[in-house]
Amino acid sequence: DADVTQTPRNRITKTGKRIMLECSQTKGHDRMYWYRQDPGLGLRLIYYSFDVKDINKGEISDGYSVSRQAQAKFSLSLESAIPNQTALYFCATNGAGGEDTQYFGPGTRLTVL
Amino acid sequence: EDQVTQSPEALRLQEGESSSLNCSYTVSGLRGLFWYRQDPGKGPEFLFTLYSAGEEKEKERLKATLTKKESFLHITAPKPEDSATYLCAIGGSQGNLIFGKGTKLSVKP
Repeated sequence: DADVTQTPRNRITKTGKRIMLECSQTKGHDRMYWYRQDPGLGLRLIYYSFDVKDINKGEISDGYSVSRQAQAKFSLSLESAIPNQTALYFCATNGAGGEDTQYFGPGTRLTVL
Repeated sequence: EDQVTQSPEALRLQEGESSSLNCSYTVSGLRGLFWYRQDPGKGPEFLFTLYSAGEEKEKERLKATLTKKESFLHITAPKPEDSATYLCAIGGSQGNLIFGKGTKLSVKP
């Protein structure tokens, strides 16, 4: 089984709808991240969490919110989706204390019409 | 500002034709230089982490090297299955990764 899973893998929605993307990990890592990938722009950080009570905004957090339900679960919400949020979304994890390498999930392809 | 620039944007090789991908970076204090491979529609797959100038790491046909300003990913005698986008990233001050835009490698048989 994969260490980092994301659901759904694909989602098509309409402008104004609320969407939640979910991420789970079995690596026992403390730190979790949400990135967005757009063609020509690379991966950009949306939000990150170093533990259940520690959530921080990243480079492009406007229009997004997150919830860290447990050490293993980190959800990303789009409160009112808009077309320019169409992108690939990736969750990543790493451990604390010097474990710098981040391990990525398979991604969610989100299309906002 | 911490920044990563990868070149070339795209590289087409014949099978067996060795080459290198470049990743230049500016950072106030390096917290690791990371290489990932990404296949279309999939998540980045970790390849290497480098921390110090002069450090080298190898995996099959890939070898990553690091200087104070750049890193190279050398591909020796590539095969078609090496075709992918290769991403370079540096460790950011927030504990995140700062990515370059990637190099898309195509290896033709």
